[in-house]
Amino acid sequence: EAGVAQSPRYKIIEKRQSVAFWCNPISGHATLYWYQQILGQGPKLLIQFQNNGVVDDSQLPKDRFSAERLKGVDSTLKIQPAKLEDSAVYLCASSHTTGNGYTFGSGTRLTVV
Amino acid sequence: SQKIEQNSEALNIQEGKTATLTCNYTNYSPAYLQWYRQDPGRGPVFLLLIRENEKEKRKERLKVTFDTTLKQSLFHITASQPADSATYLCALGDSTGANNLFFGTGTRLTVIP
Repeated sequence: EAGVAQSPRYKIIEKRQSVAFWCNPISGHATLYWYQQILGQGPKLLIQFQNNGVVDDSQLPKDRFSAERLKGVDSTLKIQPAKLEDSAVYLCASSHTTGNGYTFGSGTRLTVV
Repeated sequence: SQKIEQNSEALNIQEGKTATLTCNYTNYSPAYLQWYRQDPGRGPVFLLLIRENEKEKRKERLKVTFDTTLKQSLFHITASQPADSATYLCALGDSTGANNLFFGTGTRLTVIP
């Protein structure tokens, strides 16, 4: 089966600019996650979707981050405006059901200068 | 809040030996625990899941134990190979609420030929 697709792979922006990341999960996976992984740390959950509804966005900095999952398939994560501390890898993952292993994409490496 | 500690940031072992990685947690009662492998520039790859009522799980050369009294999981790779060199992440999950995973910071394993 095809894996979780993410784009772009790399992005460099200046602080205060905006950026968007795209994710296409594995077909049939109802649950989609966005994680932020800062260098040297483990992934930290930003938001979880179940189909096209938000299940948990308690860790999402809502003043600058937003995410949507239209039609319960693809998802986009946006940062506006970006800060230096947003430099990280943004990982998208999906799972068939919660409580099972996640399938991660390769991530988008964001550098904010 | 929950805290997850993985032993030493880096672990070096000789090829053919058994690698043992430790995951300790506090302020949490996970319903299950997962282990992932992450290679540089890639997203984590799911390896094993063990539930709170299970003591041990095996998959080929991998073995995971889960001690809810000690609040600890051990991850073993037997007959280690240079190809096993990677960062290994443990992640805790619960079966309530959003059923999210909380990741440790990982242990970087290097298998020396």
